[in-house]
Amino acid sequence: AQSVTQLDSQVPVFEEAPVELRCNYSSSVSVYLFWYVQYPNQGLQLLLKYLSGSTLVKGINGFEAEFNKSQTSFHLRKPSVHISDTAEYFCAVSLHSGNTPLVFGKGTRLSVIA
Amino acid sequence: NAGVTQTPKFRVLKTGQSMTLLCAQDMNHEYMYWYRQDPGMGLRLIHYSVGEGTTAKGEVPDGYNVSRLKKQNFLLGLESAAPSQTSVYFCASFYYGYTFGSGTRLTVV
Repeated sequence: AQSVTQLDSQVPVFEEAPVELRCNYSSSVSVYLFWYVQYPNQGLQLLLKYLSGSTLVKGINGFEAEFNKSQTSFHLRKPSVHISDTAEYFCAVSLHSGNTPLVFGKGTRLSVIA
Repeated sequence: NAGVTQTPKFRVLKTGQSMTLLCAQDMNHEYMYWYRQDPGMGLRLIHYSVGEGTTAKGEVPDGYNVSRLKKQNFLLGLESAAPSQTSVYFCASFYYGYTFGSGTRLTVV
């Protein structure tokens, strides 16, 4: 069975600084990878996803992630964060069949400090 | 508007009461899922369905039952609510991409 580990439960960062949220996965077969964002008291919004092709994936709001198969990682990055990026971020994985349930990490709370 | 609709959005139950959460999708998706979200735990899969009339257990199925009598609806039932079931519940459907509902915040007192 696949699993997802988000290495940091909380990440504080100053406004306009870069940020990296780390995600590692475990699976014996090929997977699809996702990052979701959840703003306070809201639902989940898809930031970006990796299905195949280029290992550098660009998403919404200036975020990007890089798939590294050898390190089984899918870290999320943004070169300059804003106060509005304060939210919880979830990494998730599904098997290559695509219709299997998403398996989520425990989340990383990003706090952007003015 | 096409999407996944969850009802109710909020509910407070007393221990031992029962209730049903409804997830409805109008996209003709075969696959539907119920998750619960708890602080520091991420989203954990409760039950899922791969088509009308089918259900399967996820990671945390105890205390919940589900039914998929119609393709568009996936019901999550709590027969005897416990405080440990206080959570935010999310429903999702899948067809070449996952669509999530806006969640149901349930408090069991």
